[in-house]
Amino acid sequence: DAGVTQSPTHLIKTRGQQVTLRCSPKSGHDTVSWYQQALGQGPQFIFQYYEEEERQRGNFPDRFSGHQFPNYSSELNVNALLLGDSALYLCASSPEVRGLDGYTFGSGTRLTVV
Amino acid sequence: DAKTTQPPSMDCAEGRAANLPCNHSTISGNEYVYWYRQIHSQGPQYIIHGLKNNETNEMASLIITEDRKSSTLILPHATLRDTAVYYCIVRAGNTGTASKLTFGTGTRLQVTL
Repeated sequence: DAGVTQSPTHLIKTRGQQVTLRCSPKSGHDTVSWYQQALGQGPQFIFQYYEEEERQRGNFPDRFSGHQFPNYSSELNVNALLLGDSALYLCASSPEVRGLDGYTFGSGTRLTVV
Repeated sequence: DAKTTQPPSMDCAEGRAANLPCNHSTISGNEYVYWYRQIHSQGPQYIIHGLKNNETNEMASLIITEDRKSSTLILPHATLRDTAVYYCIVRAGNTGTASKLTFGTGTRLQVTL
């Protein structure tokens, strides 16, 4: 049973560019959340998608946007990249009807902005 | 969600019990204590959670004090593969809605031979 799959695993972009990260949730999961993890820090919540709509959002600017597709997969888009956007981006999926023990994280996408 | 305080790092000899403390003095009555760990280059992994009773599963035990202001995660026989950053998180209980996790900086556990 495949867990959460994220692509690509690594990515290098230039300041000002745009990037799209992808996430396929674990089978049976319908809720997808995105987190940003800077080096040496804990993950920070970006937003969560359920039924193709953004349900919760953390303290991130509008440059960060997302989408969820009918098959529950999700994309994270970041526009006008800044050097400070360099981080590990984690996707977590969960079934709607369970609590936190239902969370499964992917291994993340390492984004480097130069 | 209540804030947690954890020591930045701990060492443990392989085969010994690892006891990781967490303070959450502002925890509310409906908030659970959750533990996750993150092994290098991987995403966080759920370990265990509890409300007020001690809990045990195949990975660890969770001891919550009677006043619920602190807890301890116990790995009974630590191995090198348990070397990771351990996060203690408190949040409102199983509402049926998969709401966000608020991570701190965690405790870096180093298991040595």
